[in-house]
Amino acid sequence: AQSVSQHNHHVILSEAASLELGCNYSYGGTVNLFWYVQYPGQHLQLLLKYFSGDPLVKGIKGFEAEFIKSKFSFNLRKPSVQWSDTAEYFCAVSEYNNNDMRFGAGTRLTVKP
Amino acid sequence: DTGVSQDPRHKITKRGQNVTFRCDPISEHNRLYWYRQTLGQGPEFLTYFQNEAQLEKSRLLSDRFSAERPKGSFSTLEIQRTEQGDSAMYLCASSPTNTRGRNTIYFGEGSWLTVV
Repeated sequence: AQSVSQHNHHVILSEAASLELGCNYSYGGTVNLFWYVQYPGQHLQLLLKYFSGDPLVKGIKGFEAEFIKSKFSFNLRKPSVQWSDTAEYFCAVSEYNNNDMRFGAGTRLTVKP
Repeated sequence: DTGVSQDPRHKITKRGQNVTFRCDPISEHNRLYWYRQTLGQGPEFLTYFQNEAQLEKSRLLSDRFSAERPKGSFSTLEIQRTEQGDSAMYLCASSPTNTRGRNTIYFGEGSWLTVV
């Protein structure tokens, strides 16, 4: 069965530090890849998505992610985090032509001012 | 606000009672999804509708759970004979149809259920 793994449960950074959150998935076919963010007290919001084409995708708020097919990975990056990036980040995967989107357990990011 | 809306946002109920949640999707979206999220976990897929047709159901959706979307617009999720293990956030989401499965799903704020 398809699964999504997020390696870090809780990451603590200081402002201006660089961020990389790992995401790996188990499905070997064509996939759609997403990162969602959930700010405290708010709903899940889409950060970025990958369907096809350039494996480096840029999202909102300076986030980007790189799809590496050979590693089944879709890591999220940001060169310089801000205190306002404190949130929970979820990686999600859906199979091509399938509506069952699977989420990772999430990574809680705390950015210290 | 034209996003996905859910009601109620919070519900506390006694074990054994029935509860119903309502979801109003984004108006032009014909796909509607229900997810469940517990603390420390990502959302887990429960079911989805294409218009009024319920096309997929997860094994997580026991026979105490029923979801409907009678007119292809709003949806309800009913939990009968609630158990403490049902305590979770129930998330509704919607998306437009894309035949190649490239659906971006938009989430509501969720309905918190606490069973005491």
